[in-house]
Amino acid sequence: AQSVSQHNHHVILSEAASLELGCNYSYGGTVNLFWYVQYPGQHLQLLLKYFSGDPLVKGIKGFEAEFIKSKFSFNLRKPSVQWSDTAEYFCAVNARDDKIIFGKGTRLHILP
Amino acid sequence: NAGVTQTPKFQVLKTGQSMTLQCAQDMNHEYMSWYRQDPGMGLRLIHYSVGAGITDQGEVPNGYNVSRSTTEDFPLRLLSAAPSQTSVYFCASSYSRGANVEQYFGPGTRLTVT
Repeated sequence: AQSVSQHNHHVILSEAASLELGCNYSYGGTVNLFWYVQYPGQHLQLLLKYFSGDPLVKGIKGFEAEFIKSKFSFNLRKPSVQWSDTAEYFCAVNARDDKIIFGKGTRLHILP
Repeated sequence: NAGVTQTPKFQVLKTGQSMTLQCAQDMNHEYMSWYRQDPGMGLRLIHYSVGAGITDQGEVPNGYNVSRSTTEDFPLRLLSAAPSQTSVYFCASSYSRGANVEQYFGPGTRLTVT
């Protein structure tokens, strides 16, 4: 069965710091990968997705993620975070079937 | 388009009561799903549907029933509520019959079972 691990449960950074949130999945076949964001009091929105092609994908608000197949990873990065990036971030995997499995989420808190 | 709508926004139930959480989308999406969100647990898939008349179980289906009689609606039923079902419930939809595309989420229903 597919599963998703997000190793950082709570991350605190100062504004302008660089961000990397880890995501690893367990599935040996072809996958689709997603990062979603949930701002305080709001519902989930898609940040970026990977289906095929260039393993470095760019999303909204300056976020990017790199798919490394050999490491089963899809880490989220941003070179310089802003206070408005305070949110909870979820990695999700679809193993080309009908289910999407989410990780447990990483709470990101940016200090002004 | 209203997107994905959910009612009610908040609900308090007593143990043993039943209720239906409503979910509707006006984007003609084939795929709809229900998740529950609990602190430290992320989102867990309860049930999903790849089209009208077709439903299947997710990771945590026990205690919940669903049906999909129309493309637009995907209600989630709790037959006998338990405190363990206290959670925030999100409905989501996507245009593809499969789950390999972006999900659009509703605003959520916060359910408390006492």
